Amino acid sequence: QSALTQPASVSGSPGQSITFSCTGTTSDIGTYNYVSWYQQHPGKAPKLVIYDVSYRPSGVSDRFSGSKSGNTASLTISGLQAEDEANYYCSSYTTTTTLVFGGGTRLTVL
Amino acid sequence: QVQLVQSGSELKKPGASVKVSCKASGYTFTSYPIHWVRQAPGQGLEWMGWIDTNTGNPTYAQDFTGRFLFFLDTSVSTAYLQITSLKAEDTAMYYCAKNRWVGGWFDPWGQGTLVTVSS
Repeated sequence: QSALTQPASVSGSPGQSITFSCTGTTSDIGTYNYVSWYQQHPGKAPKLVIYDVSYRPSGVSDRFSGSKSGNTASLTISGLQAEDEANYYCSSYTTTTTLVFGGGTRLTVL
Repeated sequence: QVQLVQSGSELKKPGASVKVSCKASGYTFTSYPIHWVRQAPGQGLEWMGWIDTNTGNPTYAQDFTGRFLFFLDTSVSTAYLQITSLKAEDTAMYYCAKNRWVGGWFDPWGQGTLVTVSS
């Protein structure tokens, strides 16, 4: 199972909105609504920010939102803040009953 | 609160074995599977597989068969990852994570265990 495709890096200024893409295939994102997103600060464990494409766990800021179209899932952060600077990973369930991660996107807040 | 606490960092020589523990608290351990995820230095997340905490049945991702073993001690709500015949390329942070089922989301994660393989 190949990794999901994420851009290596994105950047934005405080207050802006930024969107991360996560591209899979009909064997994963295109078939299931089991896409989740994780935020990882340097030296820390990943933290869940979105599950099942667009659901936000309790305690996660409503500035985080998720969506999906076809084989591509997206994570949007609105009102960008300095504390959002981190690596972001997507994950999806697959038709071979496995899970797969994307390569990760490094977010820089300018 | 729901929490996973992993054992501390390990430094091992090539060819040795290592066992990483993941102790769960705050929920019924046997109700939710535990997944394992590897992160090599400076790299992304790799799904290693999962263990059914009700039956003890492990499932390994394609790249993690043979030298990797998942097992449980349900009496102390703990999952274990054992790696045998360690190689330098096994140097990584290893995370356990609770999942609702085989394909759901990971939450929470353990704090990670750094395994370093060096002669």
